[in-house]
Amino acid sequence: AQSVAQPEDQVNVAEGNPLTVKCTYSVSGNPYLFWYVQYPNRGLQFLLKYITGDNLVKGSYGFEAEFNKSQTSFHLKKPSALVSDSALYFCAVSNTGGFKTIFGAGTRLFVKA
Amino acid sequence: NAGVMQNPRHLVRRRGQEARLRCSPMKGHSHVYWYRQLPEEGLKFMVYLQKENIIDESGMPKERFSAEFPKEGPSILRIQQVVRGDSAAYFCASSPPTRTGTGNTIYFGEGSWLTVV
Repeated sequence: AQSVAQPEDQVNVAEGNPLTVKCTYSVSGNPYLFWYVQYPNRGLQFLLKYITGDNLVKGSYGFEAEFNKSQTSFHLKKPSALVSDSALYFCAVSNTGGFKTIFGAGTRLFVKA
Repeated sequence: NAGVMQNPRHLVRRRGQEARLRCSPMKGHSHVYWYRQLPEEGLKFMVYLQKENIIDESGMPKERFSAEFPKEGPSILRIQQVVRGDSAAYFCASSPPTRTGTGNTIYFGEGSWLTVV
């Protein structure tokens, strides 16, 4: 069975500082990994995904994520946080069958000016 | 290029009534997914459908909930005899036909917020 863990309910960071939002996963076979962002009262927006290839994946709005197979992790990162990055971030996983995507519980990011 | 369209955006129902939520996938997408987001909780998978077929309904409550994706028209999530605990945001997502090796990114609509009073 697939599962995703986002160990932090909330991450606080000062504007201009680097940010990391953590994600670990469990899936049979090779994983497809995703990050989405949700703003209040809105749907989820796709940020980036890992399918295969380079372990560092670049996505929208300056975000990137690092795939680490040995640690089964896919942490989201940004070198310099903006106040406008404050939102709810979801990590998700599906396997190579790709039919069902399972989401983590979400991590709320607060970026303070 | 229209995205995933959900309606209504907000729906208020009294306990015991029926709620119908509609979802039109993105153009070219043949797979539809429904998720539920309870207040202050994550996103829970409910059901995955292709045209005229339910592929995986492992996340659907056993009673009162049903989903369909007919040959013509939008996908419908139906909740009969609603209770207060059904109050949540219901998100529909869609994806193109799966192609091995390219992943299966799903794209979300803006959600339907159900309030049961």
